[in-house]
Amino acid sequence: DTGVSQDPRHKITKRGQNVTFRCDPISEHNRLYWYRQTLGQGPEFLTYFQNEAQLEKSRLLSDRFSAERPKGSFSTLEIQRTEQGDSAMYLCASSLSQRGAGGNEQFFGPGTRLTVL
Amino acid sequence: AQTVTQSQPEMSVQEAETVTLSCTYDTSESDYYLFWYKQPPSRQMILVIRQEAYKQQNATENRFSVNFQKAAKSFSLKISDSQLGDAAMYFCAGGDYGQNFVFGPGTRLSVLP
Repeated sequence: DTGVSQDPRHKITKRGQNVTFRCDPISEHNRLYWYRQTLGQGPEFLTYFQNEAQLEKSRLLSDRFSAERPKGSFSTLEIQRTEQGDSAMYLCASSLSQRGAGGNEQFFGPGTRLTVL
Repeated sequence: AQTVTQSQPEMSVQEAETVTLSCTYDTSESDYYLFWYKQPPSRQMILVIRQEAYKQQNATENRFSVNFQKAAKSFSLKISDSQLGDAAMYFCAGGDYGQNFVFGPGTRLSVLP
């Protein structure tokens, strides 16, 4: 399967613990995005990478959140000192951005559902 | 700032009939792209249709078509010959050249047999 994959699919943790999620994009895609989706809402942009460079971060991404894409392939999203308000679906997406072309389709992974008790 | 609004939290349609989902957007960007994504229950989001804001012609993909009204900043999705498999959450999204997508709150579509 050459789609976007995310691991784990579900994570239950206690408040105050740290969690880390992984995203593997489609192999030739140079852009990778993280979104957060709460129940009944649309995805909210968190951050995105062009290759290994983190180009934009939303104000939603507090200091407790950090994302990396060390070799321009897979990415990790870490949440430190989790809070109950962090409970959500965390979606990863990837796209192929070509010079001079915009509006490229983002391909989404299945998401990681985080529950903070 | 970019905003996307979907004013219909839920819609229903009889199988084989046509339904239109509404979306309005606001942006100051001139290079802008609009998308409809479908999210079936417990499954990942997939692209339904895409429209470049600079194009006058409305995009179509088989049974799916859009009515893009640039002056009104309206981007509605029409689903013809609705099928049971069309039941899902539908999200309207807008993105600038830098690809920062903004999603609307979604419309839950039910297809009645």
